[in-house]
Amino acid sequence: DTGVSQDPRHKITKRGQNVTFRCDPISEHNRLYWYRQTLGQGPEFLTYFQNEAQLEKSRLLSDRFSAERPKGSFSTLEIQRTEQGDSAMYLCASSVASQRASYNEQFFGPGTRLTVL
Amino acid sequence: QKEVEQDPGPLSVPEGAIVSLNCTYSNSAFQYFMWYRQYSRKGPELLMYTYSSGNKEDGRFTAQVDKSSKYISLFIRDSQPSDSATYLCAMSAWNNNDMRFGAGTRLTVKP
Repeated sequence: DTGVSQDPRHKITKRGQNVTFRCDPISEHNRLYWYRQTLGQGPEFLTYFQNEAQLEKSRLLSDRFSAERPKGSFSTLEIQRTEQGDSAMYLCASSVASQRASYNEQFFGPGTRLTVL
Repeated sequence: QKEVEQDPGPLSVPEGAIVSLNCTYSNSAFQYFMWYRQYSRKGPELLMYTYSSGNKEDGRFTAQVDKSSKYISLFIRDSQPSDSATYLCAMSAWNNNDMRFGAGTRLTVKP
């Protein structure tokens, strides 16, 4: 399978614990995005990277959240001191951005479902 | 008021019906308009995108954008049970980096 992969698919944790999710984008995709989706809502943009540079962060990304893409390939999203309100599906997407095309399709992974007890 | 409004449904139709899904938006800077399909416990997959106003057709699917009314639609002809999913509209201002999604409409097509 050459699509976007995410690990783990499910995570149950207790309030106050730290969690880390991993995303592996499609090979050669230089952009990587993180979204959060709560039940009955559409995905909400959190942040995106072009190669290893984090270019934009949503105000939804509080200081308990940190994302990295150290070598411009896979990315991690860490949530510190989890709260019950963090329970959601965390989606990763990747795309190829080029100067020739103004539109770049984002391909989504299956998501990591987080439950904070 | 949310930037993108979408009726969450649920919407239930018989097989073969024409389905109409709609979204309204408030940000006039949006230029790219997308429709995604999301099956249960899966990530969204892109069905179609449209740049600016106009219509676009792909098989049984037709997307329409009316920027003057800030209104977009997706029509599904000859709907099939396999079309049962949640349909999300999404929009972005430029370069499709910061997409804003609607809440999604849950569609069920009954055999």
